Amino acid sequence: GENVEQHPSTLSVQEGDSAVIKCTYSDSASNYFPWYKQELGKRPQLIIDIRSNVGEKKDQRIAVTLNKTAKHFSLHITETQPEDSAVYFCAASGRALTFGSGTRLQVQP
Amino acid sequence: GAGVSQSPSNKVTEKGKDVELRCDPISGHTALYWYRQSLGQGLEFLIYFQGNSAPDKSGLPSDRFSAERTGGSVSTLTIQRTQQEDSAVYLCASSFTRGGDTQYFGPGTRLTVL
Repeated sequence: GENVEQHPSTLSVQEGDSAVIKCTYSDSASNYFPWYKQELGKRPQLIIDIRSNVGEKKDQRIAVTLNKTAKHFSLHITETQPEDSAVYFCAASGRALTFGSGTRLQVQP
Repeated sequence: GAGVSQSPSNKVTEKGKDVELRCDPISGHTALYWYRQSLGQGLEFLIYFQGNSAPDKSGLPSDRFSAERTGGSVSTLTIQRTQQEDSAVYLCASSFTRGGDTQYFGPGTRLTVL
C-alpha cells in the first residue's frame, strides 16, 4: 500500500519568513495530492491540492510542487502570519487517502 | 450547504462496552471515509464506502471494529468491547466520488475509554 513520509515534524519561523514542508510517497499510481491544515481541536481543512498532470499550483501565499519522477511534493507558504500556525498534513491518493504524520508549524510574531 | 456532521461530539465509555459513532455525509457525496486520529498524531485510514460497492475495510485495526452505510448515506462505526487504546478522535469524511476528489471532514467524535 501507499506510504507517505512528511518532514519536518515541527517547524518554527518568524512572521514574514517562508515555510516549506516536504513529503514523499511510495505508490507511483497515486495521482492526487492534497494538503490539509488542522488547527487545535478543529477538523482538517483542505488548503490546496495538486494532481499528477500538474507540476506546480499556487493560491495566493500558498504553493505546492510535485515531482512525480522522484515521488515527492512540497508545500510552500510565503510571508507567513501567526494565523498560519497549525498542523499541516500532506496526503497521497490511490484507493484512499494516505496521510503523512503532520508538521506542526509555529509562526513567531 | 450543510457539511459533514458527526455525532456524538464526545463519548466517554467504560472499557468493554460497545459504542456507535454516526456520520452524515454531504448530500450527493457517494464516497465516505472513516479515519482515526490519536492525540498529537496523524490520520489513520480505517474504512471507506463507495456507492454500492463492497467497502474497503483494509484499515480496520481489529475485528472489534465494523462499519455500515445505510441507503448510501448515513454511516455508523461500531467498536465492540472497547479498549483504552481505542481512545482517539474518529473523523468521517466524504467526497463526490472516490480517489482524487476532495474529501471534506466532519468535526469528529472524541472517544475516551476509561
